Amino acid sequence: AQTVTQSQPEMSVQEAETVTLSCTYDTSESDYYLFWYKQPPSRQMILVIRQEAYKQQNATENRFSVNFQKAAKSFSLKISDSQLGDAAMYFCAYKYGDSGGSNYKLTFGKGTLLTVNP
Amino acid sequence: KAGVTQTPRYLIKTRGQQVTLSCSPISGHRSVSWYQQTPGQGLQFLFEYFSETQRNKGNFPGRFSGRQFSNSRSEMNVSTLELGDSALYLCASSLLGTVYNEQFFGPGTRLTVL
Repeated sequence: AQTVTQSQPEMSVQEAETVTLSCTYDTSESDYYLFWYKQPPSRQMILVIRQEAYKQQNATENRFSVNFQKAAKSFSLKISDSQLGDAAMYFCAYKYGDSGGSNYKLTFGKGTLLTVNP
Repeated sequence: KAGVTQTPRYLIKTRGQQVTLSCSPISGHRSVSWYQQTPGQGLQFLFEYFSETQRNKGNFPGRFSGRQFSNSRSEMNVSTLELGDSALYLCASSLLGTVYNEQFFGPGTRLTVL
């Protein structure tokens, strides 16, 4: 079974600085997707960034970037120039779908609560 | 385009009762997934519906059920409520539910079982 592990329950960062959130996963599949979701205190889950496993290049979305190490099954999120609005729970998630489309579910890690200090 | 909506936002029930939660996906989206979020277990997949058919199911007891209507709106039902069913229930919609399609989440329904 696929599992996703986030080893940092809580992290804090100073405004304008950089922080990296860690995520490891376990899977026997070769093709899958990895995601980072943000859940602010209002509770609406928002997709931050996603990575396709077959792509070597690390995904980047503005201040958010990932370090995807497929062999190590590691998928960390780097937030540059942290802003107060980045404070939220961050979830790493994995998605695999077989060719028949019968298993398109997200498997989540337990989350990392990020605090941004002014 | 309106986002995913869930009703009601908050519910308080007592043990033994049953409850129905509703989810309206983004217009045009045909796949709806449900997740349970608790502090202890985190986010766990309940089930996914596509074109009125349950396509995937997580590891939850039969007390948890759902359905999807022809307009893609979905409901989930929990019968014989237990204290451990207290959770935030999230619904997510995607265009076709494939591995390539992004899932958009609703704000959730907070269920408290007393």
